[in-house]
Amino acid sequence: QKEVEQDPGPLSVPEGAIVSLNCTYSNSAFQYFMWYRQYSRKGPELLMYTYSSGNKEDGRFTAQVDKSSKYISLFIRDSQPSDSATYLCAMSLQGGSEKLVFGKGTKLTVNP
Amino acid sequence: KAGVTQTPRYLIKTRGQQVTLSCSPISGHRSVSWYQQTPGQGLQFLFEYFSETQRNKGNFPGRFSGRQFSNSRSEMNVSTLELGDSALYLCASSPTRSNYEQYFGPGTRLTVT
Repeated sequence: QKEVEQDPGPLSVPEGAIVSLNCTYSNSAFQYFMWYRQYSRKGPELLMYTYSSGNKEDGRFTAQVDKSSKYISLFIRDSQPSDSATYLCAMSLQGGSEKLVFGKGTKLTVNP
Repeated sequence: KAGVTQTPRYLIKTRGQQVTLSCSPISGHRSVSWYQQTPGQGLQFLFEYFSETQRNKGNFPGRFSGRQFSNSRSEMNVSTLELGDSALYLCASSPTRSNYEQYFGPGTRLTVT
C-alpha cells in the first residue's frame, strides 16, 4: 500500500463549480499536510499547509484534515479557468527534517 | 524577492555520462531539498541539505549525490546516467528548519538518450 494515495483524475468541471480534491494516507504519524498546485512545465507552488486535524481557509481555498480517517481534502470555491492545473497533496511526519511524501497529483480542468 | 532558480532548464545527455544540476534558493533560505518527478512515480524525494549538511536522503542509488555550499546554493550530480533517469528534477528551499513550507524552482528537465 502506498503511503499517500491520490486519484489522478482527470477532473473536468465548469467555471464556478466547487471542486473537491482528496488524498488518503496510511501512516498515522503524519502531522503536517500540504497542498501544492503545479501548472504545466512549472514547479509546484505551495497553496497552504495545515498542522494535525482541522480546517484552514485561504480565499477560495479550504483545506481539511481528518486524521481519524486518514483523509485530507482541498476545496476550491467558485473555480476559475486559471485554477486548471495538477494539484498535489504532501505530508510529513514532524515538519522538521523529515522528508515530504507526495501524492501523484490530480489533474483539474476548469472549463469557461 | 527572487524565487528559487535552477540551471540549466533543459539538458540532453547520453547514457553513461554524468550531469550536474544547480539550484539557488530564495535569499535567506538555508534548507534545500531535491526531488525527481516522473509521470509514473510522481514526485520522489532525493535529499535535503541544511547549512551544508545532508539531513535526509531518499531511496535512490549512490549515483545520485548532492552538496550545499556556504551561500546555501546547492548542486546535485548524477553519474553513469541511465535512460530511467530522464525526469524533471526539482529543487525546493525552505525558510526554516521545517519542511512543511517549501518553495519550488521551475525544475531542470533531463533527457537521457
